[in-house]
Amino acid sequence: EVQLVESGGGLVQRGGSLRLSCAASGFTFSSYWMSWVRQAPGKGLEWVANIKQDESEEHYVDSVKGRFTISRDNAKNLLYLQMNSLRAEDTAVYYCVREGRLRAGMDVWGQGTTVTVSS
Amino acid sequence: QSVLTQPPSTSGTPGQRVTISCSGSSSNIGSNYVYWYQQLPGTAPKLLIYKNNQRPSGVPDRFSGSKSGTSASLAISGLRSEDEADYYCAAWDDGLKNWVFGGGTKLTVL
Repeated sequence: EVQLVESGGGLVQRGGSLRLSCAASGFTFSSYWMSWVRQAPGKGLEWVANIKQDESEEHYVDSVKGRFTISRDNAKNLLYLQMNSLRAEDTAVYYCVREGRLRAGMDVWGQGTTVTVSS
Repeated sequence: QSVLTQPPSTSGTPGQRVTISCSGSSSNIGSNYVYWYQQLPGTAPKLLIYKNNQRPSGVPDRFSGSKSGTSASLAISGLRSEDEADYYCAAWDDGLKNWVFGGGTKLTVL
């Protein structure tokens, strides 16, 4: 079964750091672009960052540039999101997402992990 | 303010056909594929339509997508109570080098 399982969320103070992890299984992880998408409480979806299969390319939404870093370990089938200098507006459910091949869209989503930044 | 514009809400009765619009610009919808996602209450989003009008396996043919210029739409025919959800459009934006989402449309089945 194709599956993405996030972990690492929690409560952190403003200005603090947190690292999210996403364990992939059931597919060849190293063959796919991967993304993080977040959803603030009661709000819509916001794409955060993505990373190419071989880590040679990364993209970020402007609001997290310089604070968040996406990375992956293809040997361990793990995706990461290092979040530094956290702000109240980073409070959200963070989803790990697989980007399907041949522009098939974000075709596999994890269940999400909740990050709460307290002020 | 989302890069892609969707109506915040819509509604319909069982059996009816509803459409949800998504408006963008030349840097996103105008030059790239449009995707639609369905988010049922309390669950993770699910891919509903890819490459403007393609359905992943398992998605009923009651759901259809279309695109024209810098706008797209999702149509749901034969509305059912289980279609009550939030629907999001998305596209890659060549200028931002970001995926961009619409603000989401809450569909209520009356």
